[in-house]
Amino acid sequence: GENVEQHPSTLSVQEGDSAVIKCTYSDSASNYFPWYKQELGKGPQLIIDIRSNVGEKKDQRIAVTLNKTAKHFSLHITETQPEDSAVYFCAASKFGTGNQFYFGTGTSLTVIP
Amino acid sequence: NAGVTQTPKFRILKIGQSMTLQCTQDMNHNYMYWYRQDPGMGLKLIYYSVGAGITDKGEVPNGYNVSRSTTEDFPLRLELAAPSQTSVYFCASSYLGGQGNQPQHFGDGTRLSIL
Repeated sequence: GENVEQHPSTLSVQEGDSAVIKCTYSDSASNYFPWYKQELGKGPQLIIDIRSNVGEKKDQRIAVTLNKTAKHFSLHITETQPEDSAVYFCAASKFGTGNQFYFGTGTSLTVIP
Repeated sequence: NAGVTQTPKFRILKIGQSMTLQCTQDMNHNYMYWYRQDPGMGLKLIYYSVGAGITDKGEVPNGYNVSRSTTEDFPLRLELAAPSQTSVYFCASSYLGGQGNQPQHFGDGTRLSIL
């Protein structure tokens, strides 16, 4: 099956700086890549996603890039704020598999005021 | 707008006891999922369902059972609780869309300890 690796496992940045989280996947047939944010005591919440026919997608301070050749995708958060502190998960999926997601192991982001 | 609702939020079980974790969604989604989340391990798929009456094993199904008699409900059953099943359990749902795979929507989890 699919194997998704995520780095780093922890990340600390100063408020206002940028944060980048990287994921790699193994199955070249994967074509949907969501990112989730999980706050303490809550379930994961979708923050952005990208499909394999697109190389980059942006939503205000959040962007995701995808390199299909290298089989990696990244989450970029600019102008970080304390409320961005959370655990972030990447995932990979391919059509026709019951919409199964394969998750990375998570990145704990701390934004220092 | 409830989304995905999980009950209970917390539970402590003794080894060998059984229990059912409840999950219901009000978004009329076809697909539903159960995950477990262990520290530093991400989310692992236990079982999933693509519609009422249809269930399939995920990555870590041993020790669990599921059923899907309605579109809305997808309960997870632990028959003989073991310490290795101490975890946080998340239920999720998604719909089948024309563009391909769709986001999964998660509940807030059930924190289960087995002593």
